[in-house]
Amino acid sequence: AQTVTQSQPEMSVQEAETVTLSCTYDTSESDYYLFWYKQPPSRQMILVIRQEAYKQQNATENRFSVNFQKAAKSFSLKISDSQLGDAAMYFCAYDGTQGGSEKLVFGKGMKLTVNP
Amino acid sequence: EPEVTQTPSHQVTQMGQEVILRCVPISNHLYFYWYRQILGQKVEFLVSFYNNEISEKSEIFDDQFSVERPDGSNFTLKIRSTKLEDSAMYFCASNLGRGWDGYTFGSGTRLTVV
Repeated sequence: AQTVTQSQPEMSVQEAETVTLSCTYDTSESDYYLFWYKQPPSRQMILVIRQEAYKQQNATENRFSVNFQKAAKSFSLKISDSQLGDAAMYFCAYDGTQGGSEKLVFGKGMKLTVNP
Repeated sequence: EPEVTQTPSHQVTQMGQEVILRCVPISNHLYFYWYRQILGQKVEFLVSFYNNEISEKSEIFDDQFSVERPDGSNFTLKIRSTKLEDSAMYFCASNLGRGWDGYTFGSGTRLTVV
C-alpha cells in the first residue's frame, strides 16, 4: 500500500521569506500523481499544486513550486514570498494510477505559521 | 469557478441516530468520494463512487455506512447508527477522472455525535 510521510508537524516562516515543506512517499508504481493541499482554519481543502510523475519538469503555480525527485520519492513544496494568508495546514497527497486504487492517500499534514 | 457543495456545514446528533450528509459534486465530474478527518488527524479515504456504484471502500466504511446518488446531482453519505467515534469532518470530493486536475473538495460537514 502507498504511504505518504510528512515528517515535520509544524514550521514557521517570516512574512516575505521562503519556506520548504517536505514530503516523501512510498510506492511501487511508476505512474502516479502528487498533490499539495492547503487547509486553512475554515478547514476547506484547497488544491495548491499538482505533479504528474511522468513529467520531469517541476510544477509551479505563482509563488508555489515543487521539487519532485522521483528516484528519491520526494515531493517538497516551496512557498516563496510567504504571506499571512499562507498560514494553514498543508497536506501532501498521492494518487496512484494502477491496481484499481482510486483514492488520495494523505500525509499527516504540517502546520505552517507565518509571522509578520 | 465550479464548486462542490456540502450541507449541512455542521450537524449534531445523538449517538445511535441516523445521519445523512449531502453533497452536490461538480456537474460534469464522474468520480465521487467521501473522506473524513478526525480533529487533529489526517484525512482518511472512506469510499469512491463511479458509474452509480461503489468502486472502492476502506476498512472504515463498514455496514453502518452507505452512499447513494439518488437523482443524478446529489451524492449522499448515510451513517445508520452513529457512534461517538464518528465525530469528524466529512469531506465530499469529485473529479473528472484519475488525477485529472486533482480532486475538488467541498467545504466539509462537521459531524458531532453526543
